[in-house]
Amino acid sequence: EDQVTQSPEALRLQEGESSSLNCSYTVSGLRGLFWYRQDPGKGPEFLFTLYSAGEEKEKERLKATLTKKESFLHITAPKPEDSATYLCAVLVAGNNRKLIWGLGTSLAVNP
Amino acid sequence: GAVVSQHPSWVICKSGTSVKIECRSLDFQATTMFWYRQFPKQSLMLMATSNEGSKATYEQGVEKDKFLINHASLTLSTLTVTSAHPEDSSFYICSARAGGGTIYNEQFFGPGTRLTVL
Repeated sequence: EDQVTQSPEALRLQEGESSSLNCSYTVSGLRGLFWYRQDPGKGPEFLFTLYSAGEEKEKERLKATLTKKESFLHITAPKPEDSATYLCAVLVAGNNRKLIWGLGTSLAVNP
Repeated sequence: GAVVSQHPSWVICKSGTSVKIECRSLDFQATTMFWYRQFPKQSLMLMATSNEGSKATYEQGVEKDKFLINHASLTLSTLTVTSAHPEDSSFYICSARAGGGTIYNEQFFGPGTRLTVL
């Protein structure tokens, strides 16, 4: 069964303390892996799409990487405004283009 | 680019009434739109997938007669919760996917609608 697992479930950092969030997946055929940010009471905001192992993408303090079994979202020198839930989702071949979602990592950055 | 709007942002209704939620892609044509439901501190639960001009495909366990979906154009989809009951209270979020181009695979989300049924 296709599955996406995110860890840790929650993470608390001090401002400036870099860390990484993990998204591991077991799927039959990966068509793409997506990272979203979700603030409380709002819809998810698209961050990155990764398609193949070895691919990396960056945006401000965020960097996403992909291997054949997992993806990392690296947060460098985070700020309090980076506090949010980060969601990972995968698009699987032949799955009617539905996304399989992880449960998310709730990140809190203290000033 | 890739902006999706949703209206209303929140709604309170009495039990037994129907509520319509609109989802619009503002700057791209969405051949496919998705409707999700999210409970507090939980991830997104896909309710249905709709393609423009055709009937929606509902996920297992979602009542199609209760959650009516219409994808009448390439920029508009609506979700109508019929005869709403308190257990239908939730956060409903739509997403849209473009028909082609460089953003073909990504889903872009609306801001969500908070439904409270009294």
